[in-house]
Amino acid sequence: GAGVSQSPRYKVAKRGQDVALRCDPISGHVSLFWYQQALGQGPEFLTYFQNEAQLDKSGLPSDRFFAERPEGSVSTLKIQRTQQEDSAVYLCASSLSTGGGETQYFGPGTRLLVL
Amino acid sequence: SQKIEQNSEALNIQEGKTATLTCNYTNYSPAYLQWYRQDPGRGPVFLLLIRENEKEKRKERLKVTFDTTLKQSLFHITASQPADSATYLCAPGVPNRDDKIIFGKGTRLHILP
Repeated sequence: GAGVSQSPRYKVAKRGQDVALRCDPISGHVSLFWYQQALGQGPEFLTYFQNEAQLDKSGLPSDRFFAERPEGSVSTLKIQRTQQEDSAVYLCASSLSTGGGETQYFGPGTRLLVL
Repeated sequence: SQKIEQNSEALNIQEGKTATLTCNYTNYSPAYLQWYRQDPGRGPVFLLLIRENEKEKRKERLKVTFDTTLKQSLFHITASQPADSATYLCAPGVPNRDDKIIFGKGTRLHILP
């Protein structure tokens, strides 16, 4: 079956521009996570959904970052007024249920470069 | 705050030898710990999970240990192969937060032919 897909794979934005990153999780997966990964670092947690409910957004770096999952499947991460420090790879992951220790299945990521 | 430390330098291992990667955590007690592999330009891929009541877990050439007293997990790859070259990420679970995990920075492993 299809894995997690993300689009676009690459995005170049001018500073101040708004961007929207899309994640298509594995069908039927309840949990969805967004991470930000800087070069040479591990993925940093941004936010977490259980179906359509955003249960944890403690990792969002500022109020310029907004995520939604309105129907409990596809999710969009929006960054407003992008800054150069937003340049990173944005990873999406989904997991089947919500028990502790569930395997997270990752997409390939969206590489964002803000000029 | 919760802190996770992995070998900060890249690890070079001769093909056929055992590679051992270390993950240390401080300031919390995870109920489980996961290990992921990440290749350049790709998302992480799950390898193994070990729970706090398990001392050791094996899967083919992989072995993970979990010492809750030392607050440490060791990840071993036996009979290493060049195809094992990748970055390996340690990810302890966050207590009372269901399936939320926190990733370490990862260790880059190079298996030399």
